[in-house]
Amino acid sequence: DGGITQSPKYLFRKEGQNVTLSCEQNLNHDAMYWYRQDPGQGLRLIYYSQIVNDFQKGDIAEGYSVSREKKESFPLTVTSAQKNPTAFYLCASSRSRSGSTDTQYFGPGTRLTVL
Amino acid sequence: GENVEQHPSTLSVQEGDSAVIKCTYSDSASNYFPWYKQELGKRPQLIIDIRSNVGEKKDQRIAVTLNKTAKHFSLHITETQPEDSAVYFCAASRRSGGYQKVTFGTGTKLQVIP
Repeated sequence: DGGITQSPKYLFRKEGQNVTLSCEQNLNHDAMYWYRQDPGQGLRLIYYSQIVNDFQKGDIAEGYSVSREKKESFPLTVTSAQKNPTAFYLCASSRSRSGSTDTQYFGPGTRLTVL
Repeated sequence: GENVEQHPSTLSVQEGDSAVIKCTYSDSASNYFPWYKQELGKRPQLIIDIRSNVGEKKDQRIAVTLNKTAKHFSLHITETQPEDSAVYFCAASRRSGGYQKVTFGTGTKLQVIP
C-alpha cells in the first residue's frame, strides 16, 4: 500500500460541479484502477488503465472520466452527470498489465460529499 | 460475470476465540483470491492471498482455505485480538477482456469483544 497517494482526503462538491480526484503511485506499476465504495457494499470498479494513454470503462463508469498521461498518475473526474457521487473513492495499482494474480494495492482514499 | 458472495455480514467473537468468514464465487476462471482488512475510514490492506493451485495457506494466526470444486474459500483467524476488529473483504480475480478483473465480496464486519 505504501507508495500510492490520493488527494484530497475529503472533498465537497456542489450540484452541477465537476471535481477531480488525484491518484499518484511511485511503485512503477503498470496497471491502475479506480473503485467506488458505498456503505455495506463491496468495491465497484469505475475505470482501469493498463498502460499510459489507454484506459477502459469498468462496471460503473457513467458520470466519470479519467486520463493516464503519465505512468505514475491516474486522476478521476466526477462530472455533474454522476447523480449520486457521495462515496469513498479508492485508487489501486498492480504490477503488471498481463497478470491475473497480481496483488492490488490501495491508496488511502478520498471521501466525496455532495452538498 | 463473476459473482462473489460473502457471509456473514457481521460477526462478533470473544477475544481469544476463532473467527471464520466464508466466500463463494461463480466463475471457474478465477484463479487468485486475496483477502483485505479495512479499518474505519482507511484503505483496504492485503492480509493474505491464495492462488488456485494451492488448497491452504497460513500466516501466523491467519489462514485461508480454497475448495476449487465447490468454488468457495474461507478466512480463518485464530486467537482473535481486539485489533482484529475491522471489515474484511474477500475477492476473486481472473483475466477478463485482457485485464485483471477483481470482484469483491460485500464485506464482513468483525467485532472482537475484550
